[in-house]
Amino acid sequence: KAGVTQTPRYLIKTRGQQVTLSCSPISGHRSVSWYQQTPGQGLQFLFEYFSETQRNKGNFPGRFSGRQFSNSRSEMNVSTLELGDSALYLCASSKSAGGYNEQFFGPGTRLTVL
Amino acid sequence: QQPVQSPQAVILREGEDAVINCSSSKALYSVHWYRQKHGEAPVFLMILLKGGEQKGHEKISASFNEKKQQSSLYLTASQLSYSGTYFCGTDSNTGNQFYFGTGTSLTVIP
Repeated sequence: KAGVTQTPRYLIKTRGQQVTLSCSPISGHRSVSWYQQTPGQGLQFLFEYFSETQRNKGNFPGRFSGRQFSNSRSEMNVSTLELGDSALYLCASSKSAGGYNEQFFGPGTRLTVL
Repeated sequence: QQPVQSPQAVILREGEDAVINCSSSKALYSVHWYRQKHGEAPVFLMILLKGGEQKGHEKISASFNEKKQQSSLYLTASQLSYSGTYFCGTDSNTGNQFYFGTGTSLTVIP
């Protein structure tokens, strides 16, 4: 069974630009969560999608948004990039929503904002 | 709302034991444990559900005390492969938002 895939793996952007990251979950998984990982803040929850609906959203500004498609693939978008947005963005898929199922993480997208 | 882990870092010799604690200020429905090696994605170790059960996976086990809103991860007879950063993840009963703990760096040396 193929794992979670994320594209692109690396991105370099400049302040003010916007970026879209993609995540393809494990086949059959309907929940996708996004996390931001930085050395200082650890793993911070961004949002969770299940059946194309956002179930939960973390404490991030509105510049961070996401969506999920009918095939469970998910994208997240960051507009008006700031230097502090430089981080590893991880997505994780699970069979269903909530905290009762293990999460399988993708390799992440390393975003650098210059 | 981010769970607090202790210790922040620990260095062990092969064969020694370690305990990593995870404490939350919120009531919990479940606790997950993950291990992340440098440059890799976190990997699931185990999940504990409300009910105070203890789970085990080879020489790694964990307990969940829902009354104290705490979980502990026990690593016995540590191996070099156990090195990495361990995260607990918690799911509270208020909206099911999932939060990862502050992380514990564990290094096993020969």
